[in-house]
Amino acid sequence: AQTVTQSQPEMSVQEAETVTLSCTYDTSENNYYLFWYKQPPSRQMILVIRQEAYKQQNATENRFSVNFQKAAKSFSLKISDSQLGDTAMYFCAFMKQADMRFGAGTRLTVKP
Amino acid sequence: DAGVTQSPTHLIKTRGQQVTLRCSPISGHKSVSWYQQVLGQGPQFIFQYYEKEERGRGNFPDRFSARQFPNYSSELNVNALLLGDSALYLCASSLAWEETQYFGPGTRLLVL
Repeated sequence: AQTVTQSQPEMSVQEAETVTLSCTYDTSENNYYLFWYKQPPSRQMILVIRQEAYKQQNATENRFSVNFQKAAKSFSLKISDSQLGDTAMYFCAFMKQADMRFGAGTRLTVKP
Repeated sequence: DAGVTQSPTHLIKTRGQQVTLRCSPISGHKSVSWYQQVLGQGPQFIFQYYEKEERGRGNFPDRFSARQFPNYSSELNVNALLLGDSALYLCASSLAWEETQYFGPGTRLLVL
């Protein structure tokens, strides 16, 4: 079974600085999808970024980018120019067919 | 465009009762997935439905059941409620069964 591990329960960063959240996963599959979702306090889950495993190029979305290392089964999220609105729980997720598995999350606090 | 909607937003039940949660997907989306998120943890996959057929089931007991209607909306039913069923229940929709999932705001269930 696929498992997703986020080894950083909590992180903090100063406004305007850069922070990287870590994620590793375990799978024997070759084709799959990886995601980062953001969940602000008491608010709904929002898609941050998506990566297809067959693509070597790392996905980027404005200030958000990933470092996808397929052989190492690593999928980290880099947030540049952090903003106060980035404060949230961040979940890494692995999807193969109908089953999506989430990590336990990293609580990110952006400090002014 | 309306996003994923869920009802009710909050619900209080007692042990042994039954509950039905409802979800309406984004217009044009034909797949609905259900997740349970216990406080402080990542979401756990319960079911995925695509074109009114079950396409995936997580490791949940038979007390949990779901269905999808011709308009692609979905219901999640939980029978014989236990205290441990207290959680945020998330619904997500996607265009197809292995596409990016977009989440609703969730239904917070408290079992007393």
